[in-house]
Amino acid sequence: DGGITQSPKYLFRKEGQNVTLSCEQNLNHDAMYWYRQDPGQGLRLIYYSQIVNDFQKGDIAEGYSVSREKKESFPLTVTSAQKNPTAFYLCASTAGYNEQFFGPGTRLTVL
Amino acid sequence: EDKVVQSPLSLVVHEGDTVTLNCSYEVTNFRSLLWYKQEKKAPTFLFMLTSSGIEKKSGRLSSILDKKELFSILNITATQTGDSAIYLCAVGSLNTGTASKLTFGTGTRLQVTL
Repeated sequence: DGGITQSPKYLFRKEGQNVTLSCEQNLNHDAMYWYRQDPGQGLRLIYYSQIVNDFQKGDIAEGYSVSREKKESFPLTVTSAQKNPTAFYLCASTAGYNEQFFGPGTRLTVL
Repeated sequence: EDKVVQSPLSLVVHEGDTVTLNCSYEVTNFRSLLWYKQEKKAPTFLFMLTSSGIEKKSGRLSSILDKKELFSILNITATQTGDSAIYLCAVGSLNTGTASKLTFGTGTRLQVTL
């Protein structure tokens, strides 16, 4: 089955801690994206990557970092510099200018 | 800055009603407008619209785009409780590259009651 997987499903972070969210796809898509969703809000773009070893900041990149060492993988690190990280994080991928496919999401909570 | 505005923000209807959800946008280098349905977790794709005036239809759902007036509507006829969800509108813009960047609206929360 082709698709996008995200792990973990739930993640708890202590203040001052860095955490990494995993996103893997086997759809052979070139482009991958990370979004953040807060209650009552739409999706806001954090980072995106069009090809391996290249990525660009989205609208709310501060306090986050990414890497794209493999086509299939686009992990997101939430650093201690992100002051309000509690949110639902969604990863997506697309081939060209087609619709984006989304993973099941990771819900991050700061303790 | 690209902007997508959806209305209403929330809506409660009775099963069997017809609903119309609205999406207006201001985007540079417009490429496409997409509708997604989000229940508990990941948004699922409904429609992608690129041309004005051409209706896209899937069962009881349909959507149309007006590129002159910069809006789209999503219609749901004979609503069912399974249609209860957040409906997201997103607009794709052309990047300097191979992929489309999407700007999302805040969504319309639809609740269908018995």
